Amino acid sequence: NAGVTQTPKFQVLKTGQSMTLQCAQDMNHEYMSWYRQDPGMGLRLIHYSVGAGITDQGEVPNGYNVSRSTTEDFPLRLLSAAPSQTSVYFCASSSGTGVTEAFFGQGTRLTVV
Amino acid sequence: SQQGEEDPQALSIQEGENATMNCSYKTSINNLQWYRQNSGRGLVHLILIRSNEREKHSGRLRVTLDTSKKSSSLLITASRAADTASYFCATLGGNNRLAFGKGNQVVVIP
Repeated sequence: NAGVTQTPKFQVLKTGQSMTLQCAQDMNHEYMSWYRQDPGMGLRLIHYSVGAGITDQGEVPNGYNVSRSTTEDFPLRLLSAAPSQTSVYFCASSSGTGVTEAFFGQGTRLTVV
Repeated sequence: SQQGEEDPQALSIQEGENATMNCSYKTSINNLQWYRQNSGRGLVHLILIRSNEREKHSGRLRVTLDTSKKSSSLLITASRAADTASYFCATLGGNNRLAFGKGNQVVVIP
């Protein structure tokens, strides 16, 4: 059972570069979300989607874009990486909008130099 | 803004002891969830308690919810070394977004 799969696991970017963090789930979940985790800050919501074709901003959306063309995939794009985006990124999915448990990927550790 | 705030932030206990963590929140909620995160891994769901529930059990876990005080507690009984992890509470509010606290680090000493 794959669950939620994130790639890559580690990434180093130079300031100004762009990249896409991939997230895929095989549980046919409607709700998917992206969080970033920084020391002492817990998890902060970046963007989320309640279904294919529908996305919305979370708590810290600046500098990130998302799209949801299929139920399975929810990529997160960094448009022009900045050192402040150095963080661990987690993708999560659930069958409803938080009514049930969320399933998390293993995370992507991103360093921007 | 962070919805949940866990207290205490770090806890070190001997194997076999009980571990208690608290979480407070600020706005009305639909449910409150607890997650565990082992070092370098993703979060794993432990237990969910709805706003109309006061207590819930799952194995060695006991969760309470006091909506009048906007607080919850997670009790792990008879702790094991494998319980060493960070524990997060998360609240689901009216905006249907899951908001996480900053986490409790628990170390269980064998």
